[in-house]
Amino acid sequence: EIVLTQSPATLSLSPGERATLSCGASQSVSSSYLAWYQQKPGLAPRLLIYDASSRATGIPDRFSGSGSGTDFTLTISRLEPEDFAVYYCQQYGSSPYTFGQGTKLEIK
Amino acid sequence: QVQLVESGGGLVKPGGSLRLSCAASGFTFSDYYMSWIRQAPGKGLEWVSYISSSGSTIYYADSVKGRFTISRDNAKNSLYLQMNSLRAEDTAVYYCARDRPWNYAKPFDYWGQGTLVTVSS
Repeated sequence: EIVLTQSPATLSLSPGERATLSCGASQSVSSSYLAWYQQKPGLAPRLLIYDASSRATGIPDRFSGSGSGTDFTLTISRLEPEDFAVYYCQQYGSSPYTFGQGTKLEIK
Repeated sequence: QVQLVESGGGLVKPGGSLRLSCAASGFTFSDYYMSWIRQAPGKGLEWVSYISSSGSTIYYADSVKGRFTISRDNAKNSLYLQMNSLRAEDTAVYYCARDRPWNYAKPFDYWGQGTLVTVSS
């Protein structure tokens, strides 16, 4: 099983700032099958990024993903008020699928 | 538009059973794998199980293996999760999600609203 470790656990930033979230895998993620999701309280997660760097339909271009192998990054270039939420990475290259424990992005 | 609507959650005693359903619409259900994912209160996401488009391939997380059974009815565009021998640690919101198409890898691009399962005496 591939274990995903996200850092930091909590990130405190202000609107307009740049956010960098990390996701490390215990072994190489097959074909960069790594996704990022955003979750707001009481709602289902929303797919942001798939295949490590492709934006899902309707996702603003301030969200970008990068990385390969065991190290992946989600970057939000200029934070908007609606971006403050919990973010999860997930690998779907091998079974069982696994999620990271999440990074909470909070307003400073 | 793609819609996934879960039902069947509720309060059940430890050792009891519950069957969750997920009604799908807005896409060709039989072309896609489907998954169940759960989230315990205040915790992160945990993938539970997937079933292939035809139903011939099934996989479970170790935490539910032998207790939960995933199934689908492509004629009814429906996904199911039979949960037996429920434990307190199974308490969570259960989401159904559209998984990969039959022919290539993709993550969960559509999710239902979730249904809450509470296991308590």
